Amino acid sequence: LAKTTQPISMDSYEGQEVNITCSHNNIATNDYITWYQQFPSQGPRFIIQGYKTKVTNEVASLFIPADRKSSTLSLPRVSLSDTAVYYCLVGDPTTSGTYKYIFGTGTRLKVLA
Amino acid sequence: NAGVTQTPKFQVLKTGQSMTLQCAQDMNHNSMYWYRQDPGMGLRLIYYSASEGTTDKGEVPNGYNVSRLNKREFSLRLESAAPSQTSVYFCASLGGAYNSPLHFGNGTRLTVT
Repeated sequence: LAKTTQPISMDSYEGQEVNITCSHNNIATNDYITWYQQFPSQGPRFIIQGYKTKVTNEVASLFIPADRKSSTLSLPRVSLSDTAVYYCLVGDPTTSGTYKYIFGTGTRLKVLA
Repeated sequence: NAGVTQTPKFQVLKTGQSMTLQCAQDMNHNSMYWYRQDPGMGLRLIYYSASEGTTDKGEVPNGYNVSRLNKREFSLRLESAAPSQTSVYFCASLGGAYNSPLHFGNGTRLTVT
């Protein structure tokens, strides 16, 4: 079972860079690592996804070492609006031909003024 | 493009009543998922469907039934609602490529009294 482990919570100040690390020791060979952001009363929202090395988009960077057993989400210069829960997600391949996605606890990020 | 649409947005049931939560996606995705999220907790997988006509149990399937009658729609039924099923229910869909992320609806907030 592909299980993810993240810190339960983190605090940061506005303008700082925040790094959230996720452990996923049993990641499947073909699976990607995907990070989601969730605000209260909303569904999770896709942030970034990667397979290996480094991926960057307009909101975040994702660092994945060669063994792919962990990944680090980097949020540059956070603002108050980045206060949310962040989940990393990897899938379990199933016999029915899709992936089963089990969420971990997520990391509750609080950005302080 | 509406993405993933869930109805209703809110529902209050009495213990023992039944209801069906509806989910529809317009992205031609093969896989669909139902999650529940209790206050302050992460998402837990109830059921998923790899394709039309197939369904599989997730982490917490007891007390629920699902139907995947066509590619667009995946419904979740509570036959006899219990207070322990008070939660926010999220539907998600997944495209066919390895690097497809989950797309979530905005959720149905269910209260069972």
